[in-house]
Amino acid sequence: KQEVTQIPAALSVPEGENLVLNCSFTDSAIYNLQWFRQDPGKGLTSLLLIQSSQREQTSGRLNASLDKSSGRSTLYIAASQPGDSATYLCAVEDNYGQNFVFGPGTRLSVLP
Amino acid sequence: EAQVTQNPRYLITVTGKKLTVTCSQNMNHEYMSWYRQDPGLGLRQIYYSMNVEVTDKGDVPEGYKVSRKEKRNFPLILESPSPNQTSLYFCASSLSGADSYNEQFFGPGTRLTVL
Repeated sequence: KQEVTQIPAALSVPEGENLVLNCSFTDSAIYNLQWFRQDPGKGLTSLLLIQSSQREQTSGRLNASLDKSSGRSTLYIAASQPGDSATYLCAVEDNYGQNFVFGPGTRLSVLP
Repeated sequence: EAQVTQNPRYLITVTGKKLTVTCSQNMNHEYMSWYRQDPGLGLRQIYYSMNVEVTDKGDVPEGYKVSRKEKRNFPLILESPSPNQTSLYFCASSLSGADSYNEQFFGPGTRLTVL
């Protein structure tokens, strides 16, 4: 059964720092991996989707990488801002393209 | 505007009183799914649907029912709610569950309290 973990569970950084969030999964047979942002009391907003054949995706200050063979993905946030404060979740879609498994999330606080 | 909508957004009910949470998407997506989110347990998939009249269990389906009679709607039914179903529920949709471009879009969530 697929399991997804995220490290660290929480992170607090001063504004302007570059930071890395980690996501690990136990079964490398995935279709894709998706990073989300969740603000308190709100729904999930899709940030980046990496297909299983890709190594990375970029959107603005965000860069996500995928190493399927080692079961890892990282989300890199450049020049962090207070508005980046949120919980970041990664999710993998299994190889049958039917089931999605989420990690527990990393709660990020960017201090002004 | 492309979106996933859920109703109600907040619901307080009592044990055993049947309820339905509606979910609708306007993006002509084939794949729809329900999740619950609980502190310390994260998001867990309840049911999903690959297309009209096609539904399947996720990781935590006990106590829930779903139906997919139309492409745009995917209601979640709790026939006899219990306090352990108190949770934050999310509906999501994507173009196709078997497509590598399967970006999921989420609804705003429904906070359910069962007394």
